[in-house]
Amino acid sequence: GQNIDQPTEMTATEGAIVQINCTYQTSGFNGLFWYQQHAGEAPTFLSYNVLDGLEEKGRFSSFLSRSKGYSYLLLKELQMKDSASYLCAALDSNYQLIWGAGTKLIIKP
Amino acid sequence: DVKVTQSSRYLVKRTGEKVFLECVQDMDHENMFWYRQDPGLGLRLIYFSYDVKMKEKGDIPEGYSVSREKKERFSLILESASTNQTSMYLCASSSPGQGYQQPQHFGDGTRLSIL
Repeated sequence: GQNIDQPTEMTATEGAIVQINCTYQTSGFNGLFWYQQHAGEAPTFLSYNVLDGLEEKGRFSSFLSRSKGYSYLLLKELQMKDSASYLCAALDSNYQLIWGAGTKLIIKP
Repeated sequence: DVKVTQSSRYLVKRTGEKVFLECVQDMDHENMFWYRQDPGLGLRLIYFSYDVKMKEKGDIPEGYSVSREKKERFSLILESASTNQTSMYLCASSSPGQGYQQPQHFGDGTRLSIL
């Protein structure tokens, strides 16, 4: 079957760095998305990786290893507004998104 | 900016009622999707559409139907609402991808309670 695994909850300190991991098993693979979702709001797009390696966008970076079925989202210089759920989703061979349950990130002062 | 608008943020209905959830997008996107989001579960795809008057079942279509009469509007219908359909419903839209896959843009969601 198809499956996405990510931690349920993580806690980090303001100003620090946090890495949110995601492992996936899909029928075929056409890339991996990360979304951010604040409580009570819509998910918003953060990143898309289809090739191996690290892509950096300001304080946020996303990494992909296709051979390991693994991705991570790296958040630097954490701010209180980064408290949110982070959703990992893999695109399978039929171009359908398989979603993880999300990682709730709690930032403490 | 892409705007996906869902008709209601909160909705309370009774068991057995027919419920309509409306979604409109303003970016001329071909693709539209309906998901439900429940605690501890990932987003689950109910139905999607790649064109007007076209619809495809997602992972959990039972108890639901959809309508896409115009490109910008995608409606989700609960034929006879049941308590297990109490959930957050999210609508999304996207352009077709060419190599790079276009991200989905989401509405703010409708929190539906069935009593």
